Amino acid sequence: DVKVTQSSRYLVKRTGEKVFLECVQDMDHENMFWYRQDPGLGLRLIYFSYDVKMKEKGDIPEGYSVSREKKERFSLILESASTNQTSMYLCASSSTGNREQRTEAFFGQGTRLTVV
Amino acid sequence: AQSVTQLDSQVPVFEEAPVELRCNYSSSVSVYLFWYVQYPNQGLQLLLKYLSGSTLVKGINGFEAEFNKSQTSFHLRKPSVHISDTAEYFCAVSVSGGYNKLIFGAGTRLAVHP
Repeated sequence: DVKVTQSSRYLVKRTGEKVFLECVQDMDHENMFWYRQDPGLGLRLIYFSYDVKMKEKGDIPEGYSVSREKKERFSLILESASTNQTSMYLCASSSTGNREQRTEAFFGQGTRLTVV
Repeated sequence: AQSVTQLDSQVPVFEEAPVELRCNYSSSVSVYLFWYVQYPNQGLQLLLKYLSGSTLVKGINGFEAEFNKSQTSFHLRKPSVHISDTAEYFCAVSVSGGYNKLIFGAGTRLAVHP
């Protein structure tokens, strides 16, 4: 079974803190993604990475950065947390194999971040 | 650019009744289509996907969806729902041949009542 593990289920941080959300996958997937989930908005892509040290902005990258130093780990960084970043964050991974494999994204259980 | 519209934010239904969750998409390029389910306090799980070929796609847990290119729709159906189907359902698209960057609809909360 593919496993995508997010290091925390719940986090509470103060405004202005630097926050790290960690995601690890164990299936040697090339592609990794960070999404943000808000009620009534669905999931929106923040950043994705298609290889170690490679990244591309998604639809809502402002206020976020990412790091991918190892293939299995993809970190989302909030440089200076703000209350409007209170949300559920979901990590996902997928391979670059055949079409069936490329279109199967596996999601972590999510990190619910509250910024106070 | 691509976009996804889920036409109902909430769908209440009685157990053993049929259900349809509606999804329309917009895209100027060829896309793949997906339905994901999210149970409370969990991540997303793939229910089914349309890549090409037969427009009727069968997925897990008795769900199926039909791709209609002319109406740009991908509605999800189940002939008889169970209490355990209570969850949030997301329709999504990704550009064919791309990195599988998913664009999601806002979600439909399915509530199955006894």
